[in-house]
Amino acid sequence: AQTVTQSQPEMSVQEAETVTLSCTYDTSESDYYLFWYKQPPSRQMILVIRQEAYKQQNATENRFSVNFQKAAKSFSLKISDSQLGDAAMYFCAYGSNYQLIWGAGTKLIIKP
Amino acid sequence: AAGVIQSPRHLIKEKRETATLKCYPISRHDTVYWYQQGPGQDPQFLISFYEKMQSDKGSIPDRFSAQQFSDYHSELNMSSLELGDSALYFCASSTGSREKLFFGSGTQLSVL
Repeated sequence: AQTVTQSQPEMSVQEAETVTLSCTYDTSESDYYLFWYKQPPSRQMILVIRQEAYKQQNATENRFSVNFQKAAKSFSLKISDSQLGDAAMYFCAYGSNYQLIWGAGTKLIIKP
Repeated sequence: AAGVIQSPRHLIKEKRETATLKCYPISRHDTVYWYQQGPGQDPQFLISFYEKMQSDKGSIPDRFSAQQFSDYHSELNMSSLELGDSALYFCASSTGSREKLFFGSGTQLSVL
């Protein structure tokens, strides 16, 4: 069975600085995809970024980028120029078919 | 463009009552997913539908049932409600099993 591990329950960063959130997963499959979602206090689940396992190039979305290491089964999220609005719970998720397997989440605190 | 619409936003029920949650996916999205998220927990996959047929099943109790209708909206029916069913219920939609999942704002169910 696939598992997703987020080893950092909480992270804090100064506004305008860069922070990296860690995610590792375990799978025996070769074809899958990975997501980062953010969930602010409103509890809305917002897609941040998506990565296909067959793509070697790391996905980027504006200030958000990933470091995808398939052999190491690692999928970290880098947030550059952190903003107050980035404060949220960040979930890493693994998918190979219809369901997503979620990590426990990392709470990101932005210090003004 | 309109996002995933869920109704109601909040629902309060007594134990042993029934509840129906509705989900209207993004236009032209043929796949719908249901997730349950308890307080401080990661989302748990319940069930998904592709083209009105169940495509995958997760940890959905036998007391729950769901379906996707001809207009692609979906309903989650919950019977014999228990205190432990209190949670945020998310619906998400996508254009396929491997594509980006877009989440609704969720239905907060409280069972008293």
